[in-house]
Amino acid sequence: QSVLTQPPSVSEAPRQRVTISCSGSSSNIGNNAVNWYQQLPGKAPKLLIYYDDLLPSGVSDRFSGSKSGTSASLAISGLQSEDEADYYCAAWDDSLNGRVVFGGGTKLTVL
Amino acid sequence: EVQLVESGGGLVQPGGSLRLSCAASGFTFSSYDMHWVRQATGKGLEWVSAIGTAGDTYYPGSVKGRFTISRENAKNSLYLQMNSLRAGDTAVYYCARGLGGSPSSGSAFDIWGQGTMVTVSS
Repeated sequence: QSVLTQPPSVSEAPRQRVTISCSGSSSNIGNNAVNWYQQLPGKAPKLLIYYDDLLPSGVSDRFSGSKSGTSASLAISGLQSEDEADYYCAAWDDSLNGRVVFGGGTKLTVL
Repeated sequence: EVQLVESGGGLVQPGGSLRLSCAASGFTFSSYDMHWVRQATGKGLEWVSAIGTAGDTYYPGSVKGRFTISRENAKNSLYLQMNSLRAGDTAVYYCARGLGGSPSSGSAFDIWGQGTMVTVSS
């Protein structure tokens, strides 16, 4: 059971918009930054969004992040087939002497 | 080119030990916090350990007391000493660079290696 909760899967048609939620608590999302990662099949993860809503250089602006209280969201607009991947949220957790916690991951299917 | 390259994975018996290495290049290694993250086949990402620029270390309960993270800035290298290995430790192990300098700053992992496979089996 992951500390951060994500839906196991989401699906949407090309050119549409999809959001992936990430729910946590006051010891993680509520008090620390949220980062999002994209993992294409057979590849290492890639940083997609950092510090809640910042876009790393080279990442498409079709990706955006937001946070409110103890929940965060990743939005992907103008869906493309190449966006089909696993998406993970992560945050620092202040409990148990400090640790990084990940969500269980969300498989995005572009229909 | 900014790069991380892991090595040292392999097959080890339960109860055995293994030392993973991660060679960094293309950036000032000593200025970044570094992490190990693992992924069992078909499963999600699991954070394994972190070391800050000041040498502060962090572990989840699942590996605390069995795994030790260390760094050698003069060699631009990160290590993970894994002892008392169990079948549940079988996974691809990635090293990753943290942006914050200190793990507790909520570092984002902006650079990842390609991973090294660790299999714990008799």
